[in-house]
Amino acid sequence: SAVISQKPSRDICQRGTSLTIQCQVDSQVTMMFWYRQQPGQSLTLIATANQGSEATYESGFVIDKFPISRPNLTFSTLTVSNMSPEDSSIYLCSVEGGGPRTEAFFGQGTRLTVV
Amino acid sequence: ELKVEQNPLFLSMQEGKNYTIYCNYSTTSDRLYWYRQDPGKSLESLFVLLSNGAVKQEGRLMASLDTKARLSTLHITAAVHDLSATYFCAVDQGNMLTFGGGTRLMVKP
Repeated sequence: SAVISQKPSRDICQRGTSLTIQCQVDSQVTMMFWYRQQPGQSLTLIATANQGSEATYESGFVIDKFPISRPNLTFSTLTVSNMSPEDSSIYLCSVEGGGPRTEAFFGQGTRLTVV
Repeated sequence: ELKVEQNPLFLSMQEGKNYTIYCNYSTTSDRLYWYRQDPGKSLESLFVLLSNGAVKQEGRLMASLDTKARLSTLHITAAVHDLSATYFCAVDQGNMLTFGGGTRLMVKP
């Protein structure tokens, strides 16, 4: 299994500002995933981050709003830019399990409130 | 586009009762996951179902997968209050997961 440390665990931010969320994994992984969970909703994939290449964004998410870094095989960041109250959500990073994808592990999540 | 539908979205049940949560998905996949989420917490992996006919059990929860029907079920036996949480199924489509809408389960004493 993979142990994922995500921080901050929560934050309250002013609209128009940006927040960078960090995700650290205890082992090297090829792919890391960023999800958003809006209040009372399910999880939606924002983007997939591979080390050494641009992140791949899902429909409805753009790099200017959610820039992602993946500097090495154990770390990634997601920035929520120019925040508005609609960005208030839980953001989770996830990694694939070893071998043929047998399990996905999730970080503790970052609960973001934009005021 | 893969769609994953769970039902019911909300379930209130008495302790000791049995119930089943259903997860239907729209395109072929042979990997399906069940997660539990407690309020304010992240997702806890419950089951990984990797093939047609797979059945896994852990305590009062049992999950099954029918890839031909594109259906997975999560069966709860003799529910207890500690099972109160939100349960998500997620279908593996290549290198990404598509989640169902979640089933919020409340078990009443």
